[in-house]
Amino acid sequence: AQSVTQLDSQVPVFEEAPVELRCNYSSSVSVYLFWYVQYPNQGLQLLLKYLSGSTLVKGINGFEAEFNKSQTSFHLRKPSVHISDTAEYFCAVKGTNAGKSTFGDGTTLTVKP
Amino acid sequence: EAGVTQSPTHLIKTRGQQATLRCSPISGHTSVYWYQQALGLGLQFLLWYDEGEERNRGNFPPRFSGRQFPNYSSELNVNALELEDSALYLCASSRDSNQPQHFGDGTRLSIL
Repeated sequence: AQSVTQLDSQVPVFEEAPVELRCNYSSSVSVYLFWYVQYPNQGLQLLLKYLSGSTLVKGINGFEAEFNKSQTSFHLRKPSVHISDTAEYFCAVKGTNAGKSTFGDGTTLTVKP
Repeated sequence: EAGVTQSPTHLIKTRGQQATLRCSPISGHTSVYWYQQALGLGLQFLLWYDEGEERNRGNFPPRFSGRQFPNYSSELNVNALELEDSALYLCASSRDSNQPQHFGDGTRLSIL
């Protein structure tokens, strides 16, 4: 079984500032890791994924995340945020032999002008 | 490529009624997943279907059920609706169980 902890429920930040959304996971097996974004009244959109290989993965909209196996973390970063990045962000983990993903409770990113 | 489509967008029911939610996966995707997103509770896994069979089930009562059709589309049925069933129900699909899931925009179910 897997579990995901998103360490911050809300992150307020000013426009053009950097941001980091933190995600820790636990699992007894190898995992795949994902970040999704959800805009109001919409479903989840895949931002980026770690399946294997380089631990630094780049996604859409200028986001990137680093897989740290020793710290069991997969933090999401963006060097300069925009107002349009205001949304709910979900970290998810999936065992490499499992179908379903386990999601964190989400982090609300609010970008202020 | 068309994304995951869900219908209806909104559904209003009363307690005790039954609801049917529908999902069409991305073409070529054989796995379909259902999640419940209730206010303040995050995404809770409901069901996973692959190749027409139920592969896994979340911690929900038996009145939540579903099926996957030969064309890989799926239905979620909720019987004996209760007020706490009010939520956004999200469907996702993937090419296989090792690939990322792609989500539809959901069906918002409101129980009066």
